[in-house]
Amino acid sequence: DQQVKQNSPSLSVQEGRISILNCDYTNSMFDYFLWYKKYPAEGPTFLISISSIKDKNEDGRFTVFLNKSAKHLSLHIVPSQPGDSAVYFCAARANTGNQFYFGTGTSLTVIP
Amino acid sequence: DTGVSQDPRHKITKRGQNVTFRCDPISEHNRLYWYRQTLGQGPEFLTYFQNEAQLEKSRLLSDRFSAERPKGSFSTLEIQRTEQGDSAMYLCASSLALRVTGELFFGEGSRLTVL
Repeated sequence: DQQVKQNSPSLSVQEGRISILNCDYTNSMFDYFLWYKKYPAEGPTFLISISSIKDKNEDGRFTVFLNKSAKHLSLHIVPSQPGDSAVYFCAARANTGNQFYFGTGTSLTVIP
Repeated sequence: DTGVSQDPRHKITKRGQNVTFRCDPISEHNRLYWYRQTLGQGPEFLTYFQNEAQLEKSRLLSDRFSAERPKGSFSTLEIQRTEQGDSAMYLCASSLALRVTGELFFGEGSRLTVL
């Protein structure tokens, strides 16, 4: 039962443009949502998070938007840089605080 | 380096053999998680510890899998009688329970190949 879904396995964007990565979830009991970035042969690295009581969180070039009614969140990267090329995982934390559920990832390629 | 470290990074074994992975979390982190990741999938939760207590286990963790964190510091994940379906990347992560977000800090993973 996939509670967190990333329906786009890959995305290509020109350098300097905006990258938008999408994520959908099914469990209304999630209280935190996180984005992780993963390079090959490395573990996932935390990027940015958002609480379920907010609808936007911004950190430099990265902004996460949460639409609770649609059970949808997105990560915006502006401007995109070649170093952003990686696999991005969306994750959600159950409100028991114990488990994190991950999507299947979106592979972002930023073309110079 | 004060991040999460895992050992070994790669393990190739024959079906039926036992393997053990070790994870050293960030020193002040009291929560430790094990995840498994297969090709094309996101990390799947296996189990987690708060200090030395194993508080939750996924149904993915069959009887052949056992995890320990004897002194609340490092952890081991043992797989007995390995099967080809156990081939995966095993990720360890740690976090500090007191942080509001409690984001996980991952190690680089231990890749298991069962022949």
